[in-house]
Amino acid sequence: AQKITQTQPGMFVQEKEAVTLDCTYDTSDQSYGLFWYKQPSSGEMIFLIYQGSYDEQNATEGRYSLNFQKARKSANLVISASQLGDSAMYFCAGSQTGANNLFFGTGTRLTVIP
Amino acid sequence: NAGVTQTPKFQVLKTGQSMTLQCAQDMNHNSMYWYRQDPGMGLRLIYYSASEGTTDKGEVPNGYNVSRLNKREFSLRLESAAPSQTSVYFCASSEYSTGSYEQYFGPGTRLTVT
Repeated sequence: AQKITQTQPGMFVQEKEAVTLDCTYDTSDQSYGLFWYKQPSSGEMIFLIYQGSYDEQNATEGRYSLNFQKARKSANLVISASQLGDSAMYFCAGSQTGANNLFFGTGTRLTVIP
Repeated sequence: NAGVTQTPKFQVLKTGQSMTLQCAQDMNHNSMYWYRQDPGMGLRLIYYSASEGTTDKGEVPNGYNVSRLNKREFSLRLESAAPSQTSVYFCASSEYSTGSYEQYFGPGTRLTVT
């Protein structure tokens, strides 16, 4: 099983600035994956980025990058050049590679200020 | 290509009533999932189906049953609804054989039990 911890209930960022959303994980699995999902006020879950435990380089997808530090068991999401449309809840999730259960953190609500 | 669809979008039940939440995907995925999301919490897995003909319990299965009707459809049944089952329910699907670990989510069903 995995435990995902997101310690920031809410974050504010100025438009066009970068922001880091924290995520730490606790697992005994040797091979695992970490995910970030965005949930706007409309409620749907939107996949943003994935990092495998054996991936040597940090994952990037457009303005999203994952700062993966295995020794610290952290998988922080970095959003560059924030836009108003980035205001949403962000969830970190993890699973054993190939397993069927995604374990979610409690989420961080990001507000982008114009 | 609709992705993952769920019906209904909203439902109000009285305690003790039963209902079935429907989910369908058109991405030819083998694995399907049901999650619930409660306020202030991340999503928690109720049941999953790794492939057609198989179902397994997740983290919070009590009070629910599922049916994997065929490869496309995975339904969730509440036999005797309780107020504790008031939640937002998400269906998801995935296909690891493509090398992608992402789970694709439906739009959710908001269920209130009075």
